[in-house]
Amino acid sequence: AQSVTQPDIHITVSEGASLELRCNYSYGATPYLFWYVQSPGQGLQLLLKYFSGDTLVQGIKGFEAEFKRSQSSFNLRKPSVHWSDAAEYFCAVGHYGGSQGNLIFGKGTKLSVKP
Amino acid sequence: ETGVTQSPTHLIKTRGQQVTLRCSSQSGHNTVSWYQQALGQGPQFIFQYYREEENGRGNFPPRFSGLQFPNYSSELNVNALELDDSALYLCASTLGIPGAVPRAAYEQYFGPGTRLTVT
Repeated sequence: AQSVTQPDIHITVSEGASLELRCNYSYGATPYLFWYVQSPGQGLQLLLKYFSGDTLVQGIKGFEAEFKRSQSSFNLRKPSVHWSDAAEYFCAVGHYGGSQGNLIFGKGTKLSVKP
Repeated sequence: ETGVTQSPTHLIKTRGQQVTLRCSSQSGHNTVSWYQQALGQGPQFIFQYYREEENGRGNFPPRFSGLQFPNYSSELNVNALELDDSALYLCASTLGIPGAVPRAAYEQYFGPGTRLTVT
């Protein structure tokens, strides 16, 4: 069965430091991969997506992610974290269900930012 | 362009009661998906509606049901509420195309959610 694993439940980084959030997936075919961010009490906002092609994808808010097929990973990175990046981050894989697609999410990684 | 909206924002119900949550899809989107997000968990797919019919369902019992209307808005109904139904319910919309699953179908736009508390 398809699944997404985010190994880190909670990460704390200092403002200005670099960030990497890990995501591993299990999917039989070529995956469609996504990162979403959720601020407290809010819905999910799409940060970036990977469908095919260049394995390094750029997203909004200065985030990027790299797809590594050999490692079944799609890690999210940011070179310099801002206090406003504190939120919960979810990795998801697109799942073909019915005649339309839906998403399978990981359990999320909560990011805290120290001043 | 109008984003996805959901109502109500918060809701408190008693075990055994029934609840209806509402969602208006983003302008131009004809497909609505519902997700349940329990505390500390990622969203879980409940079901999806396309052209007013249920089109794909996750591992949720039949007491979770829904509707989609001609204007593509949608309702999620939950009967016989249980304590474990307490969660954030998220609606997401996207553009479906007949006979195809374009990449864009997976690029879902989420509403702010309805927080349901069952006591």
